Amino acid sequence: NAGVTQTPKFQVLKTGQSMTLQCAQDMNHNSMYWYRQDPGMGLRLIYYSASEGTTDKGEVPNGYNVSRLNKREFSLRLESAAPSQTSVYFCASSDRESSTDTQYFGPGTRLTVL
Amino acid sequence: KNEVEQSPQNLTAQEGEFITINCSYSVGISALHWLQQHPGGGIVSLFMLSSGKKKHGRLIATINIQEKHSSLHITASHPRDSAVYICAVRSLVSGTYKYIFGTGTRLKVLA
Repeated sequence: NAGVTQTPKFQVLKTGQSMTLQCAQDMNHNSMYWYRQDPGMGLRLIYYSASEGTTDKGEVPNGYNVSRLNKREFSLRLESAAPSQTSVYFCASSDRESSTDTQYFGPGTRLTVL
Repeated sequence: KNEVEQSPQNLTAQEGEFITINCSYSVGISALHWLQQHPGGGIVSLFMLSSGKKKHGRLIATINIQEKHSSLHITASHPRDSAVYICAVRSLVSGTYKYIFGTGTRLKVLA
């Protein structure tokens, strides 16, 4: 049982390049999330998917797109990377959207945009 | 002002010391989580609280809903406790439950 996995672990991009961050969970969770973590700031929600087939914007969606490929997989795409997108990205999943649900996090992807 | 504030931001302790990390929040919540993030590592959930107190090994978490405050205590601290501890509240925002995260407390325990 791997939990939440993310690939790649590290990535360096040049401004304007595109890439997709992959996330998969094997806990049969309905909800999945993408966060970014920047120094001096709390985790901020980029996009989330409450269930297969649905996606919604979070707090900081600009410059990103997502795809909920199936129940297991939720990818985050940067179409034209910018230095402001240098960050650590975390994927998370939870059983369902509820008042007391617990999220399980992946190991993170450290992205640098030059 | 952030909706979730943690203090202190950084903390250095000697092995064996009793440690307290504080979290205050200004929004209505349904639950509060304490998370642990090791250097270069992922994030794991330590506790979920909606009232009272929980204990797991050397870790104790308390919450006072009226005062909108929670504390995480570590007894007999050990170098392996060195990590960033993050407070996160579960709050109803525009009809959807969302997490609001504190900026974290960086703890270093010296041998």
